[in-house]
Amino acid sequence: AQKITQTQPGMFVQEKEAVTLDCTYDTSDQSYGLFWYKQPSSGEMIFLIYQGSYDEQNATEGRYSLNFQKARKSANLVISASQLGDSAMYFCAMREHGNQFYFGTGTSLTVIP
Amino acid sequence: DSGVTQTPKHLITATGQRVTLRCSPRSGDLSVYWYQQSLDQGLQFLIQYYNGEERAKGNILERFSAQQFPDLHSELNLSSLELGDSALYFCASSVAGYNSPLHFGNGTRLTVT
Repeated sequence: AQKITQTQPGMFVQEKEAVTLDCTYDTSDQSYGLFWYKQPSSGEMIFLIYQGSYDEQNATEGRYSLNFQKARKSANLVISASQLGDSAMYFCAMREHGNQFYFGTGTSLTVIP
Repeated sequence: DSGVTQTPKHLITATGQRVTLRCSPRSGDLSVYWYQQSLDQGLQFLIQYYNGEERAKGNILERFSAQQFPDLHSELNLSSLELGDSALYFCASSVAGYNSPLHFGNGTRLTVT
């Protein structure tokens, strides 16, 4: 089974609107971390946000928030007030207690002016 | 700036050749990970080192090898290069712990002609 599943290959959002990028994960560990990365067309991988398995509050970092639903094993990224510079590839990742990282296949987000 | 340094940024070489990619992790990070990202593809995990020792192996070809030196910098050696090896190669580093993110270098873009 896939450890990380991102079912949206491509998404479009109007500038200034909010968008949710989906991510589901599979683990039997109790301790794990969930991460989102942004990869703009220039290629670098930028760490955006982290959620720990024991965190009861959803993580937020500026316009990014992580909608963490533990029972459903989902960790969706919400970007509020989208900007043109948000157009990029977004990867969801998980790190288990054994320290291995698992990445999803990514979602390509395009922000429309 | 992630603090992870990768050199060179770009590399163009011919089939059958051998190249070495270099990575200096963030200060204090003992783990180094190598990933391959082919055009419009996700991240393929190649190999992980922790404090000089190989910790995990992914889909790394036998033609590829890596090592981590006592000063914690790492090198990825790619030999008998084929056209299909053209890709963006990332090095990333992290501290131990499921709640610690990967910090990526800017990548080495390898083109095999």
